[in-house]
Amino acid sequence: QSALTQPPSVSGSPGQSVTISCTGTSSDVGSYNRVSWYQQSPGTAPKLMIYEVNSRPSGVPDRFSGSKSGNTASLTISGLQAEDEADYFCNSYTSSSTWVFGGGTKVTVL
Amino acid sequence: QVQLQESGPGLVKPSQTLSLTCTVSGGSISRVGYYWTWIRQHPGKGPEWIGNIYYSGSTYYNPLLRSRVTFSVDTSKNQFSLNLNSVTAADTAVYYCAREDTVTTISFDYWGQGTLVTVSS
Repeated sequence: QSALTQPPSVSGSPGQSVTISCTGTSSDVGSYNRVSWYQQSPGTAPKLMIYEVNSRPSGVPDRFSGSKSGNTASLTISGLQAEDEADYFCNSYTSSSTWVFGGGTKVTVL
Repeated sequence: QVQLQESGPGLVKPSQTLSLTCTVSGGSISRVGYYWTWIRQHPGKGPEWIGNIYYSGSTYYNPLLRSRVTFSVDTSKNQFSLNLNSVTAADTAVYYCAREDTVTTISFDYWGQGTLVTVSS
């Protein structure tokens, strides 16, 4: 199972919006709404930010949103803040009953 | 608040067995609908799902690692464990334990801090 494809990095100024793409196949992202996104800061445990494509767990700011079109899922951070600087990776269930992750995207706040 | 904590050796020799334990606190490992998962992350790479175990002992492994990996669960201690045999340098990674929630979020909602395991002689 190949990893999901994410851009290595994205950047934006405070207040701007950034979008991270996550491209899979018809065997994972394209077939299931079990797509989630995680935030990872150095030395800390990954934190769930979005589940089931576009749902936010309690406590996650509403400036984080998710969507999906075909085999590509996306995470958008609106009103970028300094504290959002971190690595983000996506995750999808697959037709092999396994889970696959993206390679991760580093978000830099300029 | 559920918390997970990995423990085990940080250095393993090639060809030996990597063994890690995850201790769960703040909730029962026997709760219905939650699968206990091992995930690893090679330096500079995205995470890799290793597999999961249910409190009943049923397991599902990543096909790429199935021949070398074994999970076990000890409900009395609220712990689950990973054994990965015949390790090589390619198994050097940060190993995480996590909870897969199939009830509400259908995702990995809680993670441990991760533990770096280096395979080297």
